[in-house]
Formats: sequence, C-alpha cells, structure tokens
Amino acid sequence: GAGVSQSPSNKVTEKGKDVELRCDPISGHTALYWYRQSLGQGLEFLIYFQGNSAPDKSGLPSDRFSAERTGGSVSTLTIQRTQQEDSAVYLCASSTGAYQETQYFGPGTRLLVL
Amino acid sequence: DQQVKQNSPSLSVQEGRISILNCDYTNSMFDYFLWYKKYPAEGPTFLISISSIKDKNEDGRFTVFLNKSAKHLSLHIVPSQPGDSAVYFCAASALSSNTGKLIFGQGTTLQVKP
Repeated sequence: GAGVSQSPSNKVTEKGKDVELRCDPISGHTALYWYRQSLGQGLEFLIYFQGNSAPDKSGLPSDRFSAERTGGSVSTLTIQRTQQEDSAVYLCASSTGAYQETQYFGPGTRLLVL
Repeated sequence: DQQVKQNSPSLSVQEGRISILNCDYTNSMFDYFLWYKKYPAEGPTFLISISSIKDKNEDGRFTVFLNKSAKHLSLHIVPSQPGDSAVYFCAASALSSNTGKLIFGQGTTLQVKP
C-alpha cells in the first residue's frame, strides 16, 4: 500500500508569512507524529496525535506552531508569522499506535524562510 | 539537553569491511532503541531496533548491541556495501512518555568506498 505522503515537497516563503504543511498517513494508522530536522541536527519531536485523544503538543517550539488532525487521518501543521529559524525539513510519521511499533516516515517538506 | 548523542558526525569504511556506528544516551527511562537510515531528499527508513531487555539483536548484515550499564548502543554492518552510504540516526523512546515519541541523535554520515 501507499506510504506516508507529505505536501508540498518544498516551500519557500517570506519572513512573516503563514505556511501550511500537509501529511497523509498510512491508511489505518492511528498514531501520527510531526518532527523537524534543522540543518546539521537530528530530528526533533514536535507533536503527536493518537486516535481521538488529546494531542501531545509538548515539542512545539512556540505558539506560532499549531497542528490539527481531521477525521483521524490527514494532518496539517501550520506555522504563523514564519521566522528564518523555522527553516528546516518537516517530517511526518505514522504508526499503528501500539508502543514499539515502527514509525514510518514521509519524505518531508523542505521549508525555507527568506 | 541532548538525551541521545552520536559523537561521530561521519565515518568512512572500505567495502566489505565492518562499519560500527555508536550512540550514547543519558535518560535511564529509555527502554526501546532504534536505528534509522536516511538517504538525501528522502524520509528516514527503519533499520533495526532493540528492547532494553535484550543486549543484542541481529537482522542479516545488521546487528545492534545495547550496553545498559554504559548507556551505549552500537550498530554493526558486516560486510559494508556502497549502498549502505547514508546518514544513520540512533533514536530512543520511553514507555513512560505515553506517546512513543522518538528522541533522535544528530546522525552519523556513513560513506562506504568501493
């Protein structure tokens, strides 16, 4: 079946603009994660969704970041008033939700804030 | 506070030889460890994992060793092949997080020379 897909694959925006990044998880996966990878760094956890439970937003770096997951499937990560330090690769992953189940990653969205 | 560290940014080995990638962690609550492999412009792909109740897990050419007392794990690739050239990320999770979120190291770039 299809893997995790993300769109757009690349996004260039101007400082101060809002951006929306989209993630389509693997069908049937109840858990969805957002991570980001800044240049030369490892992946940093941002937010976690599991079914209808309240999301774990503990990794969001500021209140300019928000995410939602509609209908338990597609997720959108929104960054308001983008800053240059937001430039990174934003990665989405999904899993079946059971602990220690493999997280499958999408190809990422490369965001560049000028 | 970097809870998962990969102190070697890069490693170069000859085809056919052994590649050893190292990872250290500080959080004693971590009970599950993984290695992901990442090619440029792609998302990370799961390689191998190990639970804290084990000290070794093997899958084909890949073996992960866990030393809990030293809070250290390593990935051995034998024999190394040019197609193994990629960035390797060590990651850890804790059941106590209730989310399965992964904490990643900074990555090690492996180059396997023909």
